[in-house]
Amino acid sequence: GNSVTQMEGPVTLSEEAFLTINCTYTATGYPSLFWYVQYPGEGLQLLLKATKADDKGSNKGFEATYRKETTSFHLEKGSVQVSDSAVYFCALSEGAAGNKLTFGGGTRVLVKP
Amino acid sequence: DAGVTQSPTHLIKTRGQQVTLRCSPKSGHDTVSWYQQALGQGPQFIFQYYEEEERQRGNFPDRFSGHQFPNYSSELNVNALLLGDSALYLCASSLEVNRGETQYFGPGTRLLVL
Repeated sequence: GNSVTQMEGPVTLSEEAFLTINCTYTATGYPSLFWYVQYPGEGLQLLLKATKADDKGSNKGFEATYRKETTSFHLEKGSVQVSDSAVYFCALSEGAAGNKLTFGGGTRVLVKP
Repeated sequence: DAGVTQSPTHLIKTRGQQVTLRCSPKSGHDTVSWYQQALGQGPQFIFQYYEEEERQRGNFPDRFSGHQFPNYSSELNVNALLLGDSALYLCASSLEVNRGETQYFGPGTRLLVL
C-alpha cells in the first residue's frame, strides 16, 4: 500500500534560518504530492502541491520538488519566521477515483525569535 | 466564499455512546472525505462520499458510518464509542470534476471519549 515517511520533529530553528523537512513516499502508481500545514488548534491548510515528476510546488516562500527517482518531496524555505511555527504534513494521493490522502506523521517546527 | 465548516467544535462523550459529526463542504464542492487525527499523528482516511454514496473506505470498523445529503453536506456517525476514538475528526471537500486533486479541510471536531 501507499505510505509517506517524514522526518520526526520537533525541529527548532532561529528566525531567518533555512528549513528543510524530508519526505519520502511509497506508491504503486504515479501519485500527486502535497504539503499541508496545521497551526495550533486549527485544521489543515494546503501549503503546496505537485502533480507530476519534476514539478515544483511553491507558496509563501516554501518550495518542494517532486523527485520520482528518489521518491521524495522535501519541503524547503530559505528564511523562516516565527509565524511559520506549525506542524507540517507530507501527503500523497494516487489520482485514481477517490483521491484519498495518505499522510506522513507530521513534523513540528518551532521558530524562535 | 465560505470554506469547509464543521460542527460541533468540541464534544465529550462516554464509552458506549454514539456521536454524530457534521460537515458542510466549501461552496461548489461535491465530494466530502472524513479523516481521523489522533494526538501527535497524521490524519487517517475514514471514507469519502460522492453523489450520496460511500465511494471509498479506509481501514475503519463498521462502527464508523456516514451519510451525504443532496446539498453535499455530510455526517459522520460513530457507534459504541471506545476510548481510542478520542481524536480530531477532519472533514475535507473537493470537486470531482477536477478529480478531487485539492482537498480543503475544515477546522475539525475534537472528540473526547471518557
